[in-house]
Amino acid sequence: DQQVKQNSPSLSVQEGRISILNCDYTNSMFDYFLWYKKYPAEGPTFLISISSIKDKNEDGRFTVFLNKSAKHLSLHIVPSQPGDSAVYFCAASVQEGSGNTPLVFGKGTRLSVIA
Amino acid sequence: GAVVSQHPSRVICKSGTSVKIECRSLDFQATTMFWYRQFPKQSLMLMATSNEGSKATYEQGVEKDKFLINHASLTLSTLTVTSAHPEDSSFYICSASYAVGQLPPYNSPLHFGNGTRLTVT
Repeated sequence: DQQVKQNSPSLSVQEGRISILNCDYTNSMFDYFLWYKKYPAEGPTFLISISSIKDKNEDGRFTVFLNKSAKHLSLHIVPSQPGDSAVYFCAASVQEGSGNTPLVFGKGTRLSVIA
Repeated sequence: GAVVSQHPSRVICKSGTSVKIECRSLDFQATTMFWYRQFPKQSLMLMATSNEGSKATYEQGVEKDKFLINHASLTLSTLTVTSAHPEDSSFYICSASYAVGQLPPYNSPLHFGNGTRLTVT
């Protein structure tokens, strides 16, 4: 039973255009969401996060949108660059007490930015 | 900042032997370390959560006697795959976080090592 779903295994975008990566979750208790980027033979690198009290968080070219009612979040990259080509993982957790539950990851979406 | 070093990056071992993987937080004290396993084209599956000085908490289906986790200090955790078999061949990744305060999100985002590709022949 996958609690975090990334239904698109791959996405190709032209350089300069917008990349939109989608993520759905089923556990309504999740209240903290993160996006990670992973290059081959490396560990994932944290990109951006959002708490459920917000519906948007922006950091440079990266913006994450959260739609709690739809249990959906998306990562927008604009403009896309060839160096953005990587696998992007969506992750979620529950903030509780003085810590967070362990992250639950989606399967990832491979983004290819074509020059 | 927040660098996590994982060693070795690749290891090939014979069936029945044991393999130790080290995970170090180089520039911060990791309150919690996590061990993940990734199969091809699959998501990162949490194996266990470890806090310094206490026993690791294993996820359902993960054999604690097979995957021994030691978190001896705030900067070092080790995963030992005991009596390895070919089905244990996988990509193992450690991650660490540190406390950021008394308000949510409480802990830093996870910082990952570069992973260890284990091949058991």
